[in-house]
Amino acid sequence: AQSVTQPDIHITVSEGASLELRCNYSYGATPYLFWYVQSPGQGLQLLLKYFSGDTLVQGIKGFEAEFKRSQSSFNLRKPSVHWSDAAEYFCAVGSNDYKLSFGAGTTVTVRA
Amino acid sequence: GAGVSQSPSNKVTEKGKDVELRCDPISGHTALYWYRQSLGQGLEFLIYFQGNSAPDKSGLPSDRFSAERTGGSVSTLTIQRTQQEDSAVYLCASSLGQGATGYTFGSGTRLTVV
Repeated sequence: AQSVTQPDIHITVSEGASLELRCNYSYGATPYLFWYVQSPGQGLQLLLKYFSGDTLVQGIKGFEAEFKRSQSSFNLRKPSVHWSDAAEYFCAVGSNDYKLSFGAGTTVTVRA
Repeated sequence: GAGVSQSPSNKVTEKGKDVELRCDPISGHTALYWYRQSLGQGLEFLIYFQGNSAPDKSGLPSDRFSAERTGGSVSTLTIQRTQQEDSAVYLCASSLGQGATGYTFGSGTRLTVV
């Protein structure tokens, strides 16, 4: 069975500082990996996805993520956060079928 | 439409009543999904529709929950005899094909059972 762990429930970061959100997955085959962001009162928006190829994936809003098979990780990073990046972030894993498994989410607070 | 549309955005209902939640996917998206997001929890898969195939209902938590998709487009999630533990945000998503392309989510319906 596939599963996702996001070890950090809440992260606070200063505006302009770097951000890294951790994601560890459990999956028996080559995973399809996703990061979504959810702003308050909004649905989830896809930031980036990994299927194969280059293990460093670029997404929208200046985010990137790196797939590390040896560590079963897919951490999300941003070099310099903006106040608008305050939101909840979800990592998800799936096969090429349909039933994604989501982590419990990491809430990011940005302080001025 | 331009995005996935869900209605109502908020619903407060009394325990024991039935509720219907509606999802209008992006035009041309063949796959439609329902997820539930409870407070402080991740997303819980409920049901999946793909074209004319039989839906995958394996995530529905009880027989009080049902869903249908008419004409391969609009979907309705029905919860009968609502319970307080049904209170959550119900999210609908659609995709062009199978999940590997990533979903487009609606803004959700916040259901509160009092």
